[in-house]
Amino acid sequence: AQTVTQSQPEMSVQEAETVTLSCTYDTSESNYYLFWYKQPPSRQMILVIRQEAYKQQNATENRFSVNFQKAAKSFSLKISDSQLGDTAMYFCAFMKGDNDMRFGAGTRLTVKP
Amino acid sequence: DGGITQSPKYLFRKEGQNVTLSCEQNLNHDAMYWYRQDPGQGLRLIYYSQIVNDFQKGDIAEGYSVSREKKESFPLTVTSAQKNPTAFYLCASSIDLLGPGTDTQYFGPGTRLTVL
Repeated sequence: AQTVTQSQPEMSVQEAETVTLSCTYDTSESNYYLFWYKQPPSRQMILVIRQEAYKQQNATENRFSVNFQKAAKSFSLKISDSQLGDTAMYFCAFMKGDNDMRFGAGTRLTVKP
Repeated sequence: DGGITQSPKYLFRKEGQNVTLSCEQNLNHDAMYWYRQDPGQGLRLIYYSQIVNDFQKGDIAEGYSVSREKKESFPLTVTSAQKNPTAFYLCASSIDLLGPGTDTQYFGPGTRLTVL
């Protein structure tokens, strides 16, 4: 079974600085998809970024980028120029080709003014 | 506006009662999902459906039931057989154009269920 590990239960960062959230996963599959979701206090799950395992290029969405290391099974999220609105729980998720998405336990990020 | 709606936002149930959570989407997505979230944990899959009149169990299907009579709707019933139903429930949907598991899941706002 696939497992997703987020080793940082909580993190904090000063506004305008950069922070990196860690995620590792375990799988024997060669083709799969990785995601970062954000869950603010409203509890709405919002897609932050998506990465296909067959793509070597790291995905980027504005201030959010990933460092995807397939051999190491690592998928970290970098948030640049952190904003107060980035305060949320961040979940790393893994999905192979059968609609079975696995989530990590989450990292609670606090952006401090 | 296109999106996924869940109702109600908060739901209270007495022990021994069945309760149904609503999930509707107008995104024309093929696949729909139900997840459960407990404090300090990630989401766990309860059931999912790729097409109308078909659905599959996830990791924690015991004590839950679903139906998919319409593409837009995927209600979840929490039965009295579910031993610890108090949790936050999230519904999601995805396009599934290229086959199962190929597309991003988008989530509704969730329903908080509390058993009294």
